[in-house]
Amino acid sequence: QVQLVQSGAEVKKSGASVKVSCKASGYTFIDYYMHWVRQAPGEGLEWMGWISPTSGGTKYVQKFQGWVTMTRDTSISTAFLELSRLTSDDTAVYYCARALSGDLGDYFDHWGQGTLVTVSS
Amino acid sequence: SYVLTQPPSVSVAPGQTARITCGGNNIGSKSVHWYQQKPGQAPVMVVYDDRARPSGIPERFSGSNSGNTATLTISRVEAGDEADYYCQIWDSSSDHVAFGGGTKLTVL
Repeated sequence: QVQLVQSGAEVKKSGASVKVSCKASGYTFIDYYMHWVRQAPGEGLEWMGWISPTSGGTKYVQKFQGWVTMTRDTSISTAFLELSRLTSDDTAVYYCARALSGDLGDYFDHWGQGTLVTVSS
Repeated sequence: SYVLTQPPSVSVAPGQTARITCGGNNIGSKSVHWYQQKPGQAPVMVVYDDRARPSGIPERFSGSNSGNTATLTISRVEAGDEADYYCQIWDSSSDHVAFGGGTKLTVL
């Protein structure tokens, strides 16, 4: 069965960087785009962008450009999300989500369990 | 960017029908997807492409989409349906995913 297993919770200081992993199993990794979505405490879902597992091409929401990097390693079926220059506003649960592509865009049939990133000053 | 508007909360008694709306400009021309999120858990897709149900999702969950409003309908509501629900679309004009703000369903 399809599984997305994310790395464990992280606690970081302001200004630091963090890298979250998302290991896929149960399907062919390169066949589906991977998206990242974050959720601040008590808030809703915020889409961050996607990565193409075949080409490594990415698309980011403008607010994340320049300090968020999405990468992948196809040899281990794993996607990565790296955040730099962390601030307390980045405290959130970060989810990877496998995308299905419909006629009118992507939607998400499987999600990772989430990784809590806590940023302290 | 495309804005999706959901009511913050909906309350319903067990056995009744809950309707959660998702408003957007001409949303009827887009495909709307719905996710259920229980506390401390990842979201789970409950409806995709306006009205289709993934395998394993009860028939009590259904969707519709027309004009400026999409609706998730949960029939014969159970205590286990209590959760946050989010609608989602793909905005082709910005090439971005958009989520609604979420609706907390309370089963009285």
